[in-house]
Amino acid sequence: AQKVTQAQTEISVVEKEDVTLDCVYETRDTTYYLFWYKQPPSGELVFLIRRNSFDEQNEISGRYSWNFQKSTSSFNFTITASQVVDSAVYFCALSPNTGNQFYFGTGTSLTVIP
Amino acid sequence: DAGVIQSPRHEVTEMGQEVTLRCKPISGHNSLFWYRQTMMRGLELLIYFNNNVPIDDSGMPEDRFSAKMPNASFSTLKIQPSEPRDSAVYFCASTLAGYYGYTFGSGTRLTVV
Repeated sequence: AQKVTQAQTEISVVEKEDVTLDCVYETRDTTYYLFWYKQPPSGELVFLIRRNSFDEQNEISGRYSWNFQKSTSSFNFTITASQVVDSAVYFCALSPNTGNQFYFGTGTSLTVIP
Repeated sequence: DAGVIQSPRHEVTEMGQEVTLRCKPISGHNSLFWYRQTMMRGLELLIYFNNNVPIDDSGMPEDRFSAKMPNASFSTLKIQPSEPRDSAVYFCASTLAGYYGYTFGSGTRLTVV
């Protein structure tokens, strides 16, 4: 079975604080891909990052960083020095190597308070 | 590339009317997905096509919903008759392969009154 769990439904932080969004996944596939998408108030779904199951190196892109740990089946997302523009719903997703299906988490709504 | 194009962006219709949502995937992408997003259920996969063929429609809620993909560059999602509980944002997405990630359209916000 494929499943993605985002236990944090809503998070509020004050601007400039760091915040980590949790993502835990389940899969029996040995090869799979993990993703994060951002959905700002305007509604579109924006791709942020893709990571394959063989690459456990952490990735940093500006204020964004991702921590992938196969041992705990987690793919957490950290925003450093949060800004109001980071306010959005963030979705974690899993795609097994076979087939084209995505499995989305339920999303975490992040509010950054000025 | 213009990305995945959905139309209309907003649709307001009366209960019982037929509604047709349209999607143009990214050229070259061979898989197309229709999702519905509501506060209660989050993102739900309705149906997906691979090479224009419906592969999995188990997410289609009822017979009132139907989807077609007559060619590689166009798909429709039709609701007939529409009901207030169909009010949601409907997203279309396309991909060359799932592990590349999906590209989503801007969505159609449907309101059935």
